Amino acid sequence: AQSVTQPDARVTVSEGASLQLRCKYSSSVTPYLFWYVQYPRQGLQLLLKYYSGDPVVQGVNGFEAEFSKSNSSFHLRKASVHWSDSAVYFCAVSPNTGANTGKLTFGHGTILRVHP
Amino acid sequence: EAAVTQSPRNKVAVTGGKVTLSCNQTNNHNNMYWYRQDTGHGLRLIHYSYGAGSTEKGDIPDGYKASRPSQENFSLILELATPSQTSVYFCASGPGYNYAEQFFGPGTRLTVL
Repeated sequence: AQSVTQPDARVTVSEGASLQLRCKYSSSVTPYLFWYVQYPRQGLQLLLKYYSGDPVVQGVNGFEAEFSKSNSSFHLRKASVHWSDSAVYFCAVSPNTGANTGKLTFGHGTILRVHP
Repeated sequence: EAAVTQSPRNKVAVTGGKVTLSCNQTNNHNNMYWYRQDTGHGLRLIHYSYGAGSTEKGDIPDGYKASRPSQENFSLILELATPSQTSVYFCASGPGYNYAEQFFGPGTRLTVL
């Protein structure tokens, strides 16, 4: 069974500061990995995904994430945040083979607040 | 523009009543999913489907049924709604096969009184 832990329920940073949101996963094999963002009263939007290859993946709006197999982690980063990045961020995993490919397991989310 | 839409966006129901939440996707994706989102729980999978005519139980299926009459449409049915089913419900679609990403609708806020 897979699981995802986002250890920080809330993160507050100042506009222009760098950001790291943490994600740890548990899986018997390297899964597919995702970060989603949810703005108030909206659905989830895909920020970026990791399937294989280069452990650093680029996403939309300047976000990137780094996969670490040794640490079972997939942390999200941004060099300089904007107040509009305030949202809830979800890490998710999926099996990479078999009938359950595409069946996502989500973390509980991290609420990001950016001070203007 | 490809999209996932949900209706209604807001619903107030009475305990014991029947509720149907509808989802339509124009992504031409094989897979569709229903989640509920509650504070402290993140998103939890209720039912999903691999294509027209198929439904599968997710992690929390009790009290819910699903119907996939066509590639585009996937419904979630609460036959006897209870206050514990008050939540925000999200539908998503995904290509399936070797592609795991999902694309979400805007959500339906359901209140059961």
